[in-house]
Amino acid sequence: QKEVEQDPGPLSVPEGAIVSLNCTYSNSAFQYFMWYRQYSRKGPELLMYTYSSGNKEDGRFTAQVDKSSKYISLFIRDSQPSDSATYLCAMSREYLIQGAQKLVFGQGTRLTINP
Amino acid sequence: NAGVTQTPKFQVLKTGQSMTLQCAQDMNHEYMSWYRQDPGMGLRLIHYSVGAGITDQGEVPNGYNVSRSTTEDFPLRLLSAAPSQTSVYFCASSYWGWSTEAFFGQGTRLTVV
Repeated sequence: QKEVEQDPGPLSVPEGAIVSLNCTYSNSAFQYFMWYRQYSRKGPELLMYTYSSGNKEDGRFTAQVDKSSKYISLFIRDSQPSDSATYLCAMSREYLIQGAQKLVFGQGTRLTINP
Repeated sequence: NAGVTQTPKFQVLKTGQSMTLQCAQDMNHEYMSWYRQDPGMGLRLIHYSVGAGITDQGEVPNGYNVSRSTTEDFPLRLLSAAPSQTSVYFCASSYWGWSTEAFFGQGTRLTVV
């Protein structure tokens, strides 16, 4: 069983729709929860990160963490064609050397926003 | 500010050949790491480093070597390329601890034939 599960999609929605992206995880040791956005043939870039359960909002994006259910979500309001990308959830927990934390990624969800 | 720079962007190797993927960052980050990205698998950690002279294995280290002689550079060596190493490779760097943002390079697309 993978530590982090994410539906790879693809997901296609019309412009202006609300998008919901989700990940589940099995390891309760995860401490930080992140969403990365990856445009085609580019490297991932951090979109949002959160530490505790609850919601965190940044413009049209809302990250939600439910530690009791081991479930995280990313909501995109008023979606735009420029939001078309692959979205990867990522979680970190302490690793072995000098307290380094290891990032564990979901498979990524490919999202297309249609004009 | 260049950020994280990977070279080359594309490479085709024959089975058994060796090569080095280069990674350099100009942000004075302590942490650097290498990931491979395969369809349906997400990003998987190959090796990482917490500073010059200190490296450790990630979850898929077999067939790869790393060293870190300077803060800026973290090359990844393929010892004897195999078709299973066909992938997109990303280098990332960050400040102390992964709870801070990891900055990724543009990736190297490697095909082993």
